[in-house]
Amino acid sequence: GNSVTQMEGPVTLSEEAFLTINCTYTATGYPSLFWYVQYPGEGLQLLLKATKADDKGSNKGFEATYRKETTSFHLEKGSVQVSDSAVYFCALYSRGSTLGRLYFGRGTQLTVWP
Amino acid sequence: GAGVSQTPSNKVTEKGKYVELRCDPISGHTALYWYRQSLGQGPEFLIYFQGTGAADDSGLPNDRFFAVRPEGSVSTLKIQRTERGDSAVYLCASSLTAATNEKLFFGSGTQLSVL
Repeated sequence: GNSVTQMEGPVTLSEEAFLTINCTYTATGYPSLFWYVQYPGEGLQLLLKATKADDKGSNKGFEATYRKETTSFHLEKGSVQVSDSAVYFCALYSRGSTLGRLYFGRGTQLTVWP
Repeated sequence: GAGVSQTPSNKVTEKGKYVELRCDPISGHTALYWYRQSLGQGPEFLIYFQGTGAADDSGLPNDRFFAVRPEGSVSTLKIQRTERGDSAVYLCASSLTAATNEKLFFGSGTQLSVL
């Protein structure tokens, strides 16, 4: 079946620290992979995506590389800011599934202190 | 509208009551989705509409749950005989089309609490 496993939170960092949030997946077929972010009081927003192996998605200083050999899509940022405090969700879309049907991980709460 | 709008933002009801949750997607978006997010979990797919029709309702947990989109825009998720286990955040999302990897735009959700 299809599933996503994210590292347990919460994650607490100081400003300018390096961030990694681990994500691994199981999928039938060849999935597309996504990171969504949810800022306090707002809806989920697409942060970045990668649609095939070895693709790197990037946005707002965040990056994630689609690693087929390790079935992983870890989120990284070199220097976090207070404004990055949010909940981050890893998700997959499995080809052959209903269009738009995403499988999400549990989410990882990130808090960045000044 | 500027984004996906969901009303109410919070709904408290008693066990056994009927509730309706509303979603107003981005204007012109043909695809609409409902997801449910239980405490400590990621969103789980409930149902997908393409236009007015429910193209996939396989995520609905049981027949107490029903959703409609009569004019291909606003959608209503209906829950009959609510149970405490229905307490969750109900999320609506829309996309311009239902193409592969199409970006989903999510609303802020309705927090449903069943007492």
